[in-house]
Amino acid sequence: EPEVTQTPSHQVTQMGQEVILRCVPISNHLYFYWYRQILGQKVEFLVSFYNNEISEKSEIFDDQFSVERPDGSNFTLKIRSTKLEDSAMYFCASSEYMEGTQYFGPGTRLTVL
Amino acid sequence: AQSVTQLDSHVSVSEGTPVLLRCNYSSSYSPSLFWYVQHPNKGLQLLLKYTSAATLVKGINGFEAEFKKSETSFHLTKPSAHMSDAAEYFCVVSEAQGAQKLVFGQGTRLTINP
Repeated sequence: EPEVTQTPSHQVTQMGQEVILRCVPISNHLYFYWYRQILGQKVEFLVSFYNNEISEKSEIFDDQFSVERPDGSNFTLKIRSTKLEDSAMYFCASSEYMEGTQYFGPGTRLTVL
Repeated sequence: AQSVTQLDSHVSVSEGTPVLLRCNYSSSYSPSLFWYVQHPNKGLQLLLKYTSAATLVKGINGFEAEFKKSETSFHLTKPSAHMSDAAEYFCVVSEAQGAQKLVFGQGTRLTINP
């Protein structure tokens, strides 16, 4: 069964450094998403992406964040200058169509020191 | 705006007994509702979803949920718990009309006692 994959599973970085989290969505899916879960809090929507454009984003998704589909298979989330409060589990998801079921990857745990 | 409240942060049941995980939602539109499960070190797996068809929805692994509009509830049940059901369960809402954002509840950790 096709699944969403994410790398790395755990990333440790120093405050102020740039990080790139990578995702490979399911191959025939057209819509891509990032969510995050800070320890002890709810899973929160960050951004959705379709046709090489952001289609929806939350207030969390400020100028420090960017997303890209660089090569037709990968979907990346970049944080330009990490802060301590960016420490969280980041989940990638994809869906075949706009209101379709979102399938999630296993997550990347980001730790900012 | 949509919101989801999972009424229990932790539920513990004995193997072979029924499971009830409670969820209430708030939505301005006709919502789509989901239950996802997360086993340790695994991704969020879809258990079942409601999208305005039958109010009783059957999912994988013997789980089902009933959409009750009058009570704004979407509780998850299973007649007989199995050890492999131990996991974190998330109730999720999405507006049905073209919205992509999923709104999650805070999760319920299900523990199964032998």
